[in-house]
Amino acid sequence: AQTVTQSQPEMSVQEAETVTLSCTYDTSESNYYLFWYKQPPSRQMILVIRQEAYKQQNATENRFSVNFQKAAKSFSLKISDSQLGDTAMYFCAFHPNTGFQKLVFGTGTRLLVSP
Amino acid sequence: EPEVTQTPSHQVTQMGQEVILRCVPISNHLYFYWYRQILGQKVEFLVSFYNNEISEKSEIFDDQFSVERPDGSNFTLKIRSTKLEDSAMYFCASSLDRGQLFFGSGTQLSVL
Repeated sequence: AQTVTQSQPEMSVQEAETVTLSCTYDTSESNYYLFWYKQPPSRQMILVIRQEAYKQQNATENRFSVNFQKAAKSFSLKISDSQLGDTAMYFCAFHPNTGFQKLVFGTGTRLLVSP
Repeated sequence: EPEVTQTPSHQVTQMGQEVILRCVPISNHLYFYWYRQILGQKVEFLVSFYNNEISEKSEIFDDQFSVERPDGSNFTLKIRSTKLEDSAMYFCASSLDRGQLFFGSGTQLSVL
């Protein structure tokens, strides 16, 4: 069974600084997708960034980038130049690219960006 | 930009009552999902639906739950006899392929 672990329940960062959220996962699959979703207080699930396992290059999306280490099964999210609007719950998720598969979510990291 | 639409945004019901949560997936998507999130907990998979049938379901998705795509655009989740522990945010999602799910904004279900 696939599992996703987020070991940081809460993180704090000051505005304009950089923060890294960690995520590890366990799978026997070789081809899969990894995602970071943001859930603000409105509780909507917003896709932040995605990574295909077959791509060695780390995905980037504006201020958001990932450090994908396939051998270590690690997928961390770096937020640069943090903004107050980044305050949210962040979920790491795994999605195998075979069959009719579901997203497996981690338990989330609550990020607080302060002025 | 196309989006997944869920109605209602909030639903309050009495224990034992039936509820239907509605979703309109993105029009050209082929895979449909329901997830739920109990307050303060992680998002959990309930069921996936493809080609007019359930393709996978979790152990949460027992006989009290059913899904339907009645008219080619709507995708509904029915809970036959609600329990207190069914109180949660229910998310619908759809995808064109298996790579990226698009989530709706959720229905907050409160069972009293």
